[in-house]
Amino acid sequence: EVQVVESGGGLVQPGGSLRLSCATSGFTFSNIWMGWVRQAPGKGLECVAMMNEDGTQKYYVDSVKGRFTISRDNAKNSLYLQMNTLRAEDTAVYYCAKDNRYAAFDRWGQGTVVTVSS
Amino acid sequence: VMTQSPLSLPVTPGEPASISCRSSQSLLQSNGYNYLDWYLQKPGQSPQLLIYLSSNRASGVPDRFSGSGSGTDFTLKISRVEAEDVGVFYCMQSLQAPFTFGQGTRLEIK
Repeated sequence: EVQVVESGGGLVQPGGSLRLSCATSGFTFSNIWMGWVRQAPGKGLECVAMMNEDGTQKYYVDSVKGRFTISRDNAKNSLYLQMNTLRAEDTAVYYCAKDNRYAAFDRWGQGTVVTVSS
Repeated sequence: VMTQSPLSLPVTPGEPASISCRSSQSLLQSNGYNYLDWYLQKPGQSPQLLIYLSSNRASGVPDRFSGSGSGTDFTLKISRVEAEDVGVFYCMQSLQAPFTFGQGTRLEIK
């Protein structure tokens, strides 16, 4: 069974940092694109970062470029999101999502909540 | 930019429903595939994939859901709405990373 489990969320002050983790199982992680999608309170979905199978291609939404870094450890079947210089507008539920090899996210985690507030 | 309509959709159970998604750029790649997906986020849940590559139902998705369209105009149709379909539907372009979503269409039961 495919599993995607996020962790690492919490309350952080503006300007602070947080590292999200996504542990996966049930599929060949090293063959799959992965992404982070967030949802601000009461708002829609926003794909903030994506990465290809071996980590050589990384993509970010403009609002997080230079502040967030996506990475992966294929030996640990895990995806990460390092978030620096956090702003209030980064407050959201962050989902880790698995690509189905047809450019669609077919498995999502339960999400981890990030709150940026003083 | 992905634009959905309507943003709110009240439907009587058993009746059909249709959601439109328009892209500011063509999502048709040279391989013949349209890179447009549909998701449903039920209340309190993570999003779930319904349709990928414009018209392919994801595993376990009931056949009352269908997707169509090409280029810049796409449609999600529900042949007979059921109470369990309540939630927000999103289209997403997957031609260019990072992928981008429409604003969402909230389906409610009359």
